[in-house]
Amino acid sequence: DAGVIQSPRHEVTEMGQEVTLRCKPISGHDYLFWYRQTMMRGLELLIYFNNNVPIDDSGMPEDRFSAKMPNASFSTLKIQPSEPRDSAVYFCASSLESRVGGQPQHFGDGTRLSIL
Amino acid sequence: QQPVQSPQAVILREGEDAVINCSSSKALYSVHWYRQKHGEAPVFLMILLKGGEQKGHEKISASFNEKKQQSSLYLTASQLSYSGTYFCGTPRTDSWGKLQFGAGTQVVVTP
Repeated sequence: DAGVIQSPRHEVTEMGQEVTLRCKPISGHDYLFWYRQTMMRGLELLIYFNNNVPIDDSGMPEDRFSAKMPNASFSTLKIQPSEPRDSAVYFCASSLESRVGGQPQHFGDGTRLSIL
Repeated sequence: QQPVQSPQAVILREGEDAVINCSSSKALYSVHWYRQKHGEAPVFLMILLKGGEQKGHEKISASFNEKKQQSSLYLTASQLSYSGTYFCGTPRTDSWGKLQFGAGTQVVVTP
């Protein structure tokens, strides 16, 4: 089975540019998560969706960040305008419908983002 | 609230054992464990549910003590492949899907 697919794997862009990260979750998974990982802050949850609906976006740093999930097989995370402090590895993860105690999350390979 | 992991890092020789702890100031119903190798994505290891059960993955096992609000991950007879950063994650009882991850414990296994 294909795992979570993210693109691009690497992105280098200049400050002020729009950045779009893409994610295809595992087929049949109901939850989709966007995380950001840095040395300073560790693994942070930015936003998650359940059945394509955003449930909790309290981790989104500021209005420059937005995420959408137009259908069950695709999600985007956009940063506009980008800033150097947005440099990080962004992971997308998906899981089955939640149950008591939680479900395993399956992570994509991540997008390594560098803002110059 | 983020769970607290200890130690922050541990260096082992092949064949040695280690214990990683994960504790929370809030009541826990379950604890998730993940391992992330350098430059790779986190990979799910196991979930421990309330009830004090122990689980295993290869020679990696874990226990969960809900009274102490703590879980421990045991690396037994460590192998080079065990190197990586281990994260525990705890879900919120009002939102089982959402995990709060600890800061991680870096494990280095040397020959």
